Amino acid sequence: GENVEQHPSTLSVQEGDSAVIKCTYSDSASNYFPWYKQELGKRPQLIIDIRSNVGEKKDQRIAVTLNKTAKHFSLHITETQPEDSAVYFCAASIISGGYNKLIFGAGTRLAVHP
Amino acid sequence: GAGVSQSPSNKVTEKGKDVELRCDPISGHTALYWYRQSLGQGLEFLIYFQGNSAPDKSGLPSDRFSAERTGGSVSTLTIQRTQQEDSAVYLCASSHTGPNTGELFFGEGSRLTVL
Repeated sequence: GENVEQHPSTLSVQEGDSAVIKCTYSDSASNYFPWYKQELGKRPQLIIDIRSNVGEKKDQRIAVTLNKTAKHFSLHITETQPEDSAVYFCAASIISGGYNKLIFGAGTRLAVHP
Repeated sequence: GAGVSQSPSNKVTEKGKDVELRCDPISGHTALYWYRQSLGQGLEFLIYFQGNSAPDKSGLPSDRFSAERTGGSVSTLTIQRTQQEDSAVYLCASSHTGPNTGELFFGEGSRLTVL
Protein backbone atom coordinates (compact mmCIF):
# COMPACT_ATOMS: atom_id res chain seq x y z
CA GLY A 1 0.00 0.00 0.00
CA GLU A 2 0.92 3.64 -0.06
CA ASN A 3 3.30 4.69 2.66
CA VAL A 4 5.81 7.32 3.66
CA GLU A 5 9.06 6.27 5.31
CA GLN A 6 10.89 8.76 7.51
CA HIS A 7 14.43 8.62 8.92
CA PRO A 8 15.91 8.94 11.44
CA SER A 9 13.36 8.38 14.18
CA THR A 10 15.48 10.39 16.62
CA LEU A 11 18.14 13.00 15.99
CA SER A 12 20.33 14.77 18.50
CA VAL A 13 22.48 17.77 17.51
CA GLN A 14 24.42 20.54 19.16
CA GLU A 15 23.10 24.06 18.92
CA GLY A 16 24.36 25.67 15.73
CA ASP A 17 24.76 22.40 13.85
CA SER A 18 22.59 21.38 10.89
CA ALA A 19 19.89 18.72 11.00
CA VAL A 20 18.62 16.68 8.06
CA ILE A 21 15.53 14.48 8.00
CA LYS A 22 14.74 12.28 5.02
CA CYS A 23 11.52 10.79 3.70
CA THR A 24 10.66 8.45 0.87
CA TYR A 25 7.27 7.84 -0.68
CA SER A 26 5.85 5.09 -2.83
CA ASP A 27 3.22 6.73 -5.04
CA SER A 28 4.78 8.29 -8.13
CA ALA A 29 1.63 10.41 -8.54
CA SER A 30 2.26 12.22 -5.25
CA ASN A 31 2.69 15.93 -5.91
CA TYR A 32 2.52 17.72 -2.58
CA PHE A 33 4.96 17.29 0.30
CA PRO A 34 4.47 19.28 3.51
CA TRP A 35 6.49 19.20 6.72
CA TYR A 36 4.88 19.65 10.12
CA LYS A 37 6.44 20.46 13.48
CA GLN A 38 4.84 19.23 16.69
CA GLU A 39 6.11 20.63 19.98
CA LEU A 40 5.49 18.65 23.13
CA GLY A 41 1.80 18.56 23.99
CA LYS A 42 0.82 20.77 21.07
CA ARG A 43 -0.82 20.33 17.69
CA PRO A 44 1.22 19.76 14.51
CA GLN A 45 1.83 22.95 12.54
CA LEU A 46 3.00 23.41 8.96
CA ILE A 47 6.53 24.78 8.67
CA ILE A 48 7.25 24.38 4.96
CA ASP A 49 5.90 22.54 1.94
CA ILE A 50 6.98 21.79 -1.60
CA ARG A 51 5.12 20.83 -4.75
CA SER A 52 6.34 18.46 -7.41
CA ASN A 53 7.13 21.14 -9.95
CA VAL A 54 9.87 22.52 -7.69
CA GLY A 55 13.14 20.89 -6.64
CA GLU A 56 13.99 23.04 -3.67
CA LYS A 57 12.38 25.61 -1.41
CA LYS A 58 13.92 27.68 1.36
CA ASP A 59 12.51 29.75 4.20
CA GLN A 60 15.17 31.32 6.43
CA ARG A 61 16.88 28.44 8.27
CA ILE A 62 14.63 25.77 6.82
CA ALA A 63 14.86 24.22 3.37
CA VAL A 64 13.22 21.27 1.68
CA THR A 65 14.53 19.38 -1.35
CA LEU A 66 12.60 17.00 -3.58
CA ASN A 67 13.92 14.29 -5.89
CA LYS A 68 10.95 13.00 -7.86
CA THR A 69 12.96 10.40 -9.72
CA ALA A 70 14.14 8.78 -6.53
CA LYS A 71 10.87 9.57 -4.73
CA HIS A 72 12.46 11.14 -1.73
CA PHE A 73 12.43 14.54 -0.07
CA SER A 74 14.38 16.03 2.79
CA LEU A 75 14.12 18.73 5.43
CA HIS A 76 17.23 20.73 6.23
CA ILE A 77 17.50 22.94 9.31
CA THR A 78 20.63 25.07 9.57
CA GLU A 79 22.03 26.86 12.64
CA THR A 80 19.77 24.83 14.91
CA GLN A 81 18.46 26.40 18.10
CA PRO A 82 17.00 24.80 21.25
CA GLU A 83 13.52 25.94 20.20
CA ASP A 84 13.84 23.74 17.11
CA SER A 85 13.51 20.75 19.46
CA ALA A 86 10.27 18.99 18.50
CA VAL A 87 8.88 16.08 16.50
CA TYR A 88 8.92 16.66 12.76
CA PHE A 89 6.56 14.87 10.39
CA CYS A 90 6.83 14.66 6.64
CA ALA A 91 3.79 13.90 4.52
CA ALA A 92 2.92 13.12 0.93
CA SER A 93 -0.32 13.39 -0.97
CA ILE A 94 -1.50 9.95 -1.98
CA ILE A 95 -4.13 9.16 -4.58
CA SER A 96 -6.09 6.13 -3.50
CA GLY A 97 -9.39 4.93 -4.88
CA GLY A 98 -9.97 8.26 -6.55
CA TYR A 99 -9.32 10.15 -3.32
CA ASN A 100 -6.45 12.49 -2.61
CA LYS A 101 -5.25 12.34 0.99
CA LEU A 102 -2.19 13.15 3.09
CA ILE A 103 -0.18 10.28 4.55
CA PHE A 104 2.35 11.11 7.26
CA GLY A 105 5.71 9.60 8.08
CA ALA A 106 6.32 8.18 11.54
CA GLY A 107 8.06 11.33 12.75
CA THR A 108 11.56 12.37 13.82
CA ARG A 109 12.22 13.52 17.34
CA LEU A 110 14.83 16.28 17.12
CA ALA A 111 16.73 17.36 20.23
CA VAL A 112 18.95 20.43 20.01
CA HIS A 113 21.37 20.68 22.91
CA PRO A 114 22.71 24.07 24.01
CA GLY B 1 -14.11 30.12 14.06
CA ALA B 2 -10.49 31.13 14.53
CA GLY B 3 -9.21 27.58 14.38
CA VAL B 4 -10.17 23.93 14.43
CA SER B 5 -12.01 23.18 17.63
CA GLN B 6 -12.23 19.72 19.18
CA SER B 7 -14.15 18.45 22.16
CA PRO B 8 -13.78 17.02 24.65
CA SER B 9 -10.12 17.78 25.19
CA ASN B 10 -9.87 14.83 27.56
CA LYS B 11 -12.08 11.79 27.89
CA VAL B 12 -11.67 8.92 30.33
CA THR B 13 -13.99 6.00 29.80
CA GLU B 14 -14.38 2.41 30.83
CA LYS B 15 -13.71 -0.46 28.47
CA GLY B 16 -16.83 -1.36 26.52
CA LYS B 17 -18.40 2.10 26.60
CA ASP B 18 -19.10 4.17 23.48
CA VAL B 19 -17.50 7.58 23.00
CA GLU B 20 -18.13 10.48 20.65
CA LEU B 21 -15.47 12.99 19.70
CA ARG B 22 -16.41 16.23 18.01
CA CYS B 23 -14.57 18.41 15.51
CA ASP B 24 -15.59 21.87 14.39
CA PRO B 25 -13.41 22.81 11.40
CA ILE B 26 -12.43 26.26 10.22
CA SER B 27 -15.38 27.91 8.51
CA GLY B 28 -15.31 27.38 4.76
CA HIS B 29 -12.89 24.46 4.84
CA THR B 30 -14.24 21.67 2.68
CA ALA B 31 -11.68 19.00 3.57
CA LEU B 32 -11.66 17.37 7.01
CA TYR B 33 -9.41 14.61 8.33
CA TRP B 34 -9.28 12.49 11.46
CA TYR B 35 -5.93 11.11 12.60
CA ARG B 36 -4.98 9.02 15.63
CA GLN B 37 -1.75 9.57 17.51
CA SER B 38 -0.72 7.02 20.12
CA LEU B 39 1.80 8.10 22.77
CA GLY B 40 5.09 8.98 21.13
CA GLN B 41 3.92 7.71 17.78
CA GLY B 42 3.10 9.15 14.37
CA LEU B 43 -0.12 10.34 12.79
CA GLU B 44 -2.30 7.44 11.74
CA PHE B 45 -4.84 8.34 9.04
CA LEU B 46 -8.40 7.35 9.94
CA ILE B 47 -10.91 9.04 7.64
CA TYR B 48 -11.16 11.92 5.16
CA PHE B 49 -14.18 14.01 4.14
CA GLN B 50 -14.10 16.21 1.04
CA GLY B 51 -17.14 18.37 0.38
CA ASN B 52 -20.23 16.32 -0.40
CA SER B 53 -18.29 13.32 -1.68
CA ALA B 54 -18.48 9.98 0.06
CA PRO B 55 -15.75 9.85 2.73
CA ASP B 56 -12.54 7.86 2.43
CA LYS B 57 -12.86 5.43 5.33
CA SER B 58 -9.88 3.30 4.42
CA GLY B 59 -7.96 4.12 7.61
CA LEU B 60 -10.60 3.14 10.14
CA PRO B 61 -9.06 0.28 12.16
CA SER B 62 -12.25 -1.67 12.78
CA ASP B 63 -16.02 -1.53 12.39
CA ARG B 64 -16.22 -0.13 15.93
CA PHE B 65 -15.05 3.18 14.45
CA SER B 66 -17.33 5.42 12.43
CA ALA B 67 -17.50 9.09 11.55
CA GLU B 68 -19.94 11.47 10.02
CA ARG B 69 -19.89 15.04 8.88
CA THR B 70 -23.17 16.91 8.98
CA GLY B 71 -23.87 19.76 6.59
CA GLY B 72 -20.29 19.78 5.39
CA SER B 73 -19.13 21.27 8.68
CA VAL B 74 -19.00 19.61 12.11
CA SER B 75 -17.74 16.04 12.25
CA THR B 76 -18.23 13.38 14.91
CA LEU B 77 -15.96 10.37 15.37
CA THR B 78 -17.68 7.55 17.23
CA ILE B 79 -15.91 4.61 18.84
CA GLN B 80 -18.18 1.82 20.00
CA ARG B 81 -17.32 -0.74 22.68
CA THR B 82 -14.01 0.96 23.42
CA GLN B 83 -10.91 -1.13 24.05
CA GLN B 84 -7.73 -0.18 25.90
CA GLU B 85 -5.81 -0.06 22.63
CA ASP B 86 -8.09 2.77 21.51
CA SER B 87 -6.35 5.04 24.03
CA ALA B 88 -4.69 7.81 22.04
CA VAL B 89 -5.00 11.43 20.99
CA TYR B 90 -7.50 11.86 18.18
CA LEU B 91 -6.60 14.82 15.98
CA CYS B 92 -8.91 16.53 13.56
CA ALA B 93 -7.61 18.73 10.74
CA SER B 94 -9.23 20.79 8.01
CA SER B 95 -8.13 22.58 4.86
CA HIS B 96 -9.65 24.72 2.13
CA THR B 97 -9.75 22.04 -0.53
CA GLY B 98 -7.88 18.83 -1.13
CA PRO B 99 -4.45 18.12 0.31
CA ASN B 100 -2.61 19.37 -2.75
CA THR B 101 -3.77 22.90 -2.45
CA GLY B 102 -4.48 23.68 1.16
CA GLU B 103 -2.49 23.77 4.38
CA LEU B 104 -3.84 21.37 6.95
CA PHE B 105 -4.84 23.07 10.21
CA PHE B 106 -4.98 20.77 13.21
CA GLY B 107 -7.10 20.99 16.31
CA GLU B 108 -5.66 20.50 19.79
CA GLY B 109 -6.88 16.93 19.82
CA SER B 110 -9.06 14.82 22.08
CA ARG B 111 -7.10 12.64 24.47
CA LEU B 112 -8.96 9.37 25.02
CA THR B 113 -8.07 7.06 27.89
CA VAL B 114 -9.82 3.71 28.09
CA LEU B 115 -9.49 2.06 31.48
